Amino acid sequence: AQSVAQPEDQVNVAEGNPLTVKCTYSVSGNPYLFWYVQYPNRGLQFLLKYITGDNLVKGSYGFEAEFNKSQTSFHLKKPSALVSDSALYFCAVRASGNTPLVFGKGTRLSVIA
Amino acid sequence: DAGVIQSPRHEVTEMGQEVTLRCKPISGHDYLFWYRQTMMRGLELLIYFNNNVPIDDSGMPEDRFSAKMPNASFSTLKIQPSEPRDSAVYFCASRTRVLGETQYFGPGTRLLVL
Repeated sequence: AQSVAQPEDQVNVAEGNPLTVKCTYSVSGNPYLFWYVQYPNRGLQFLLKYITGDNLVKGSYGFEAEFNKSQTSFHLKKPSALVSDSALYFCAVRASGNTPLVFGKGTRLSVIA
Repeated sequence: DAGVIQSPRHEVTEMGQEVTLRCKPISGHDYLFWYRQTMMRGLELLIYFNNNVPIDDSGMPEDRFSAKMPNASFSTLKIQPSEPRDSAVYFCASRTRVLGETQYFGPGTRLLVL
């Protein structure tokens, strides 16, 4: 069975500082990994994904994530946080094949000016 | 492309009434998903379709919930009768069958059952 863990319900970071939102996964076979962001009263918006290739994936709004197979992790990072990055972030995984995405519980990021 | 379209955006109804939520997936997408989001339970997959055929409805909470996809461009999620505990945001999402393809979400329908 596939699963995703986002160990932190809340992450607080000062504006301008680097941010990390953690995600670990469990899946049989090769994983397809995704990050989504949800702003208040909005749908989930795609940020980036890892399918294959380079372990460092770059996405929208300056975000990036590193796939680490040995640690089964896919942490989301940004070098310099903005107040506008404050939102709810979801990590998701899908095994090879057309199975549905499995989402983590979400991490609320708060960037403080 | 207009993206995934959902209607209505907000719905307020009284307990016992029938509620119908609508979704238009992105043109050319083969898969359609219905999710429910609440503070207590997070994001839950209710049901998904492939080429208009329901594949897995194990997430549908009970018989009061039903979903249909009569054609490739339209799906409905119906709750009859509605209960206050059904209050949530309901999302529709779609994607192609290409492996690794991104799943795109609609803006959601915020349902309040009084």
